Amino acid sequence: GIQVEQSPPDLILQEGANSTLRCNFSDSVNNLQWFHQNPWGQLINLFYIPSGTKQNGRLSATTVATERYSLLYISSSQTTDSGVYFCAVVGFGNEKLTFGTGTRLTIIP
Amino acid sequence: NAGVTQTPKFQVLKTGQSMTLQCAQDMNHNSMYWYRQDPGMGLRLIYYSASEGTTDKGEVPNGYNVSRLNKREFSLRLESAAPSQTSVYFCASNQRGREAGANVLTFGAGSRLTVL
Repeated sequence: GIQVEQSPPDLILQEGANSTLRCNFSDSVNNLQWFHQNPWGQLINLFYIPSGTKQNGRLSATTVATERYSLLYISSSQTTDSGVYFCAVVGFGNEKLTFGTGTRLTIIP
Repeated sequence: NAGVTQTPKFQVLKTGQSMTLQCAQDMNHNSMYWYRQDPGMGLRLIYYSASEGTTDKGEVPNGYNVSRLNKREFSLRLESAAPSQTSVYFCASNQRGREAGANVLTFGAGSRLTVL
């Protein structure tokens, strides 16, 4: 099946810093989503982005499908951005989202 | 609009006991999913249902059964719980298609299960 690798596994930043999270995948995809899991365990969809670029406030994401990677950018980090960020993909001919192991982001005040 | 509702939120079982996790969504989604989350392993798909009346195995189906009771409800049953099934379980749903907003996965709040 399709493999999903996220980097870095852990990231600790000062409040106000910018960060880039990366998701590499091993095959072509027709569905890619980014999720944030907050410290209480709740999973929230951030972006549905199988290709191209999207922005939502301080967050933006870019997927370069031909090169099999996606990037999540967080600008001017806030403590509420802390948590684990997951990338999940669906390969062509498949129906199931496969998740990466996540990037744990800690924002220090 | 409650989204995806899971019950119970917490459960402690003894080895060999059975239980059912309930999930309901009010977004008229066709597809529903059960995932488990273990430390350091992300989320792994147990079973999914692409539409009412159909179910399929995911990555880790052993030890579980599911029922798509109707379009709204998708339950996960552990017939004989084992310590290896200690985990946090998430139900999710989406509406697959090409229209705007399709395919986005919505999760429930999770159910923490401990098997002693």
